[in-house]
Amino acid sequence: QVQLQESGPGLVKPSETLSLTCTVSGGSVSSGSYYWSWIRQPPGKGLEWIGYIYYSGSTNYNPSLKSRVTISVDTSKNQFSLKLSSVTAADTAVYYCAREQWLVYYFDYWGQGTLVTVSS
Amino acid sequence: QSALTQPASVSGSPGQSITISCTGTSSDVGGYNYVSWYQQHPGKAPKLMIYEVSNRPSGVSNRFSGSKSGNTASLTISGLQAEDEADYYCSSYTSSSTQFGGGTKLTVL
Repeated sequence: QVQLQESGPGLVKPSETLSLTCTVSGGSVSSGSYYWSWIRQPPGKGLEWIGYIYYSGSTNYNPSLKSRVTISVDTSKNQFSLKLSSVTAADTAVYYCAREQWLVYYFDYWGQGTLVTVSS
Repeated sequence: QSALTQPASVSGSPGQSITISCTGTSSDVGGYNYVSWYQQHPGKAPKLMIYEVSNRPSGVSNRFSGSKSGNTASLTISGLQAEDEADYYCSSYTSSSTQFGGGTKLTVL
């Protein structure tokens, strides 16, 4: 059974960089069958796709966040990570990592989510 | 504002059927058969219910079904049960990204 677990600071100051890691168990981030994705959900609002990374290192980001987002993968630790720079209160959200099926674009496994609050 | 349009809320009584729509454009819903649907209970992560327009993952009840006509996809839940009360989100691939709908709150009366 595939499991994903987000980790990282729950509080980030405005203008700083949000950093989260997703640890995958029961599956491999080196598999060519999946994208490894980040999705967020502001409190009381809907889902927003942030972007994904493929095992090869290729990435694809939401155009509205592209200038501030970096997703990377560490195959030795079976993890992938999210960095979001220059955060504001609008970036306060529950951040989910998820596995996305390659070329058919659906999310079949999700982490439990982690709340990140941007506040001084 | 979400790229995919869903009704904010729908409701139905136990045993009834309801349909949630997801309207996009020819660049997303209408252009690809990569529409998926997710169920989210409060405080929980979303759960995949339908993928590639009309396919159900193993373990998802056959009371859930999906379809698409033109630029609008639909999720139908038949034989409503109290446990179906949740938020539902559609998602579609576009040529350069993935889009979600704004979500629909389903109330079982």
